[in-house]
Amino acid sequence: QVQLQESGPGLVKPSETLSLTCSVSGGSISSYYWSWIRQPPGKGLEWIGYIYYTGSTNHNPSLKSRVTISVDTSKNQFSLNLSSVTAADTAVYYCARGDNVEFFQHWGQGTLVTVSS
Amino acid sequence: DIQMTQSPSTLSASVGDRVTITCRASQSISSWLAWYQQKPGKAPNFLIYKASSLESGVPSRFSGSGSGTEFTLTISSLQPDDFATYYCQQYNVYPWTFGQGTKVEIK
Repeated sequence: QVQLQESGPGLVKPSETLSLTCSVSGGSISSYYWSWIRQPPGKGLEWIGYIYYTGSTNHNPSLKSRVTISVDTSKNQFSLNLSSVTAADTAVYYCARGDNVEFFQHWGQGTLVTVSS
Repeated sequence: DIQMTQSPSTLSASVGDRVTITCRASQSISSWLAWYQQKPGKAPNFLIYKASSLESGVPSRFSGSGSGTEFTLTISSLQPDDFATYYCQQYNVYPWTFGQGTKVEIK
């Protein structure tokens, strides 16, 4: 059974870059599509983007060009960078995978990232 | 973006009740809809895909229906473990978008 685990700083200053890593165990990252999804406190879910193990990506245009998603197959990890953060980026960030690109069957436990000075 | 609107936002029900949640899309998404259950402090749990296909391991009291712009999630006999928030998600058009959630609470 695949398991995903997010890691990274829990506090980021405004205008800086949020960086998270998702470590995958119980299966190879070298297949499937790997996604990031976030949830502001008390609110709903927002799809951020995905990466395929080959490196091809797609992301939510609402985040403009602030999002970078990368993969390291040697470490069985993928990462999220979100630049120029504001308080509106405060959220629980989840990494996830589906057997198809379109939906998400496996989730990490989530990590809360707070943007504050 | 396709807007997904769920109703009601909150639903009060008792164990054993039949519960129905509605999800409406701002444009047709065919049957490209998924449902998730989320409990407080936990990641969402995947329930249904392609509007009505039950994920393996999900209890049969959960069912989904609909196509086009209107969809429903039904719990045939609500169990204590089902009190949670439910989200729909469309995957017809990028970006994938979710409904705002429906909280099922104890009456």
